[in-house]
Amino acid sequence: EDKVVQSPLSLVVHEGDTVTLNCSYEVTNFRSLLWYKQEKKAPTFLFMLTSSGIEKKSGRLSSILDKKELFSILNITATQTGDSAIYLCAVEFSNTDKLIFGTGTRLQVFP
Amino acid sequence: KAGVTQTPRYLIKTRGQQVTLSCSPISGHRSVSWYQQTPGQGLQFLFEYFSETQRNKGNFPGRFSGRQFSNSRSEMNVSTLELGDSALYLCASSLWEFGYEQYFGPGTRLTVT
Repeated sequence: EDKVVQSPLSLVVHEGDTVTLNCSYEVTNFRSLLWYKQEKKAPTFLFMLTSSGIEKKSGRLSSILDKKELFSILNITATQTGDSAIYLCAVEFSNTDKLIFGTGTRLQVFP
Repeated sequence: KAGVTQTPRYLIKTRGQQVTLSCSPISGHRSVSWYQQTPGQGLQFLFEYFSETQRNKGNFPGRFSGRQFSNSRSEMNVSTLELGDSALYLCASSLWEFGYEQYFGPGTRLTVT
């Protein structure tokens, strides 16, 4: 059965901490892995990863994909209260319109 | 426990028609959110229902509407379809509003011709 699993489900940190969010998957016909930041239900696209081992970076956020071990991580350095959100991971399938989401990781950053 | 189910899985409509999509949340879940996924715009939030009340709404025109029934099942309606409405419509259920993990359904692929 195709599935995407995110961990941890919830994370509470203080400003300045570095966090690592995990997304593992078991899917057939993998095409890409997507990360979203969701605040008040409005998702914002962060990264699309298709190739193994190539880090994508945007400011304090970075992500990498390991297609051999079937997982991706999202790193946030020097966290700020504005990083508080739910982070969603989704996997796209090749040759179909299938898209499977994980349940999200809820990150809370306190001052 | 059965997951989130969406029906139909595929739909083809013509411009000007209307369509109703259905979402059945996980048993016991009271929140249902709807999203539109397109290659160009990515994932966009449509609305969220909790206990039969619309709690949040995204930035979509009034042609997009929804409702939730007492058994938490939800329907989304799009009237006067436009070509740009072609998308994958996803619904997600969660036990409560914000902050709890969401479980996404497989989506309904709507094609407007």
